[in-house]
Amino acid sequence: AQSVSQHNHHVILSEAASLELGCNYSYGGTVNLFWYVQYPGQHLQLLLKYFSGDPLVKGIKGFEAEFIKSKFSFNLRKPSVQWSDTAEYFCAVNPRGGYQKVTFGTGTKLQVIP
Amino acid sequence: GAGVSQSPRYKVAKRGQDVALRCDPISGHVSLFWYQQALGQGPEFLTYFQNEAQLDKSGLPSDRFFAERPEGSVSTLKIQRTQQEDSAVYLCASSPGLAGQETQYFGPGTRLLVL
Repeated sequence: AQSVSQHNHHVILSEAASLELGCNYSYGGTVNLFWYVQYPGQHLQLLLKYFSGDPLVKGIKGFEAEFIKSKFSFNLRKPSVQWSDTAEYFCAVNPRGGYQKVTFGTGTKLQVIP
Repeated sequence: GAGVSQSPRYKVAKRGQDVALRCDPISGHVSLFWYQQALGQGPEFLTYFQNEAQLDKSGLPSDRFFAERPEGSVSTLKIQRTQQEDSAVYLCASSPGLAGQETQYFGPGTRLLVL
């Protein structure tokens, strides 16, 4: 079975700082990878996803993530954070093909200080 | 168009009570998922429906948990004889096609507190 690790539980940054949130997964085969975000008081929503092709994926609001297969990683990055990026971020993975349930990490709370 | 809706948004139950949580997925979405999210944790998979068929219930923690989607649209998660450890946010998500191969659209969740 697959698993996901998010190493940072709580990150505090000043506006304009660069962001990198770590995500590592454990699974021997081909996977789909996701980052979901939950803004305060809102639903979980998709930030970006990787299924195949270019391992550098760009999502909404200037976020990007890079799939490094050799490291089993899918880290989330943003060059310059804004106060409005304050949210909880979840990495998720599932094996590719047919029906496969999605496994979520424990989440990283990002707090951006103006 | 409307997103995924869930009701009630909050539920307080006494230990031993039965509860029923409702999910209205996005119209036309084939796949429907239920997750349990404990405080400080990520969503944990409970069960999956493809239309009215429950294809995976491997995440249901005990036989007190039961889910159905009889007409392939609205789904209900029922918890019998609630226990304190059932306190969590219960999330519903839907997607247009096959499970896990597409974006899942989440509802706001039902926060269940068992006293």
